[in-house]
Amino acid sequence: DAKTTQPPSMDCAEGRAANLPCNHSTISGNEYVYWYRQIHSQGPQYIIHGLKNNETNEMASLIITEDRKSSTLILPHATLRDTAVYYCIVRPPLGAGGTSYGKLTFGQGTILTVHP
Amino acid sequence: SQTIHQWPATLVQPVGSPLSLECTVEGTSNPNLYWYRQAAGRGLQLLFYSVGIGQISSEVPQNLSASRPQDRQFILSSKKLLLSDSGFYLCAWSVPWGRDKGNEQFFGPGTRLTVL
Repeated sequence: DAKTTQPPSMDCAEGRAANLPCNHSTISGNEYVYWYRQIHSQGPQYIIHGLKNNETNEMASLIITEDRKSSTLILPHATLRDTAVYYCIVRPPLGAGGTSYGKLTFGQGTILTVHP
Repeated sequence: SQTIHQWPATLVQPVGSPLSLECTVEGTSNPNLYWYRQAAGRGLQLLFYSVGIGQISSEVPQNLSASRPQDRQFILSSKKLLLSDSGFYLCAWSVPWGRDKGNEQFFGPGTRLTVL
């Protein structure tokens, strides 16, 4: 699976947009980009995923560059409750080569701190 | 709607004692099931996954084992705990292959295990 690189930490003011970058320069054409977050002492929470096109849901937006070597997760109006570790994960599609089972490889992520 | 349960929430066990952690999923059938471990200050490490009853795959050699006696039940066990088994254990589920290309994983609340 392709590896990802994220900044270890970021700060954001409450009410402002939080833009979390992720580099995945070795991503393959059929690999998805996933974002999860983990609030302290809780299980990870799925946020969003995409393949080529930009995606938006009720939680966030995902912007994937045209060459797919990097992406940005955008929390449009960060709140204090968005303080968490954010993980960017690259994952092959289901059934890839007959061996995929949806394995997620979590790195160290980005610690996002939203302050008042 | 689907829910995932784990128990106990916290556990303190002496070295050499046995372990049994249980995970159950409601509201779905034939899910893929996963056990992860998160050591203090570290990312998540996939330990086991299962695509069906009695089908267990291990990701890393270790002192632990997993079983899936029923479709929506996943158990993590050890005969003799080691100090290094301490950590935050998370169970997750996803829809099986082919049903949803997204295949996001949904995590339980976790069990915090301390081995003394």
